[in-house]
Amino acid sequence: QGQLVESGGGVVQPGGSLRLSCSGSGFTFSAYGMHWVRQAPGKGLEWLSFMRYDSSARYYADSVKGRFSISRDNSKNTVYLQMNSLRVEDTAVYYCAKDLRGYNYDCHYMEDWGKGTTVTVSS
Amino acid sequence: EVVLTQSPATLSLSPGERATLSCRASQSVSSDLAWYQQKPGQAPRLLIYDASDRATGVPARFSGGGSGTDFTLIISSLEPEDFAVYYCQQRSSPLTFGGGTKIEIK
Repeated sequence: QGQLVESGGGVVQPGGSLRLSCSGSGFTFSAYGMHWVRQAPGKGLEWLSFMRYDSSARYYADSVKGRFSISRDNSKNTVYLQMNSLRVEDTAVYYCAKDLRGYNYDCHYMEDWGKGTTVTVSS
Repeated sequence: EVVLTQSPATLSLSPGERATLSCRASQSVSSDLAWYQQKPGQAPRLLIYDASDRATGVPARFSGGGSGTDFTLIISSLEPEDFAVYYCQQRSSPLTFGGGTKIEIK
């Protein structure tokens, strides 16, 4: 079972930026696609973004397309989520998650999850 | 975008009872559906993928079924640790989750 640890959350004003990081261990990080998912207070889960194991493809939810950007550094076992033009409605716990299958077998199911990092957008 | 509708929103049951949760897709997703369990203050946990395959370490009391637009998650006999919120998720981009079903103690 892989371990994932998110960091970088905090309080930011509307219109501001944050970069979240997710560090993986206990598995071959460079072999797996990685997701970002968020959960607003008292609400359900919302998928945000996915990046393939080799950075060859990335996908976004419409709600964050053009504002958020996913990237990864396999030499550091880390995936990032750059969040720009933040809105009050982006307030949530942000989770990173590892895809169930590795390499070219992306299946877009999320097997391992971090504990999350909290982002609060408020003036 | 595929919209997933879960029902009921809340299920009030006692330990030992059978739980049947439903997830309906706005268009066919074949068997490309997963179920997750989330307890308060915790991250979600993958239970079922490809509609009916149990993830590693998931007890046999959890089973999934269905294809196309209608899916079910069955917990054959509720254990105390099963009282939680359950989400379905389909895997075509953009990935989407259902709104969740909370199983509470009756």
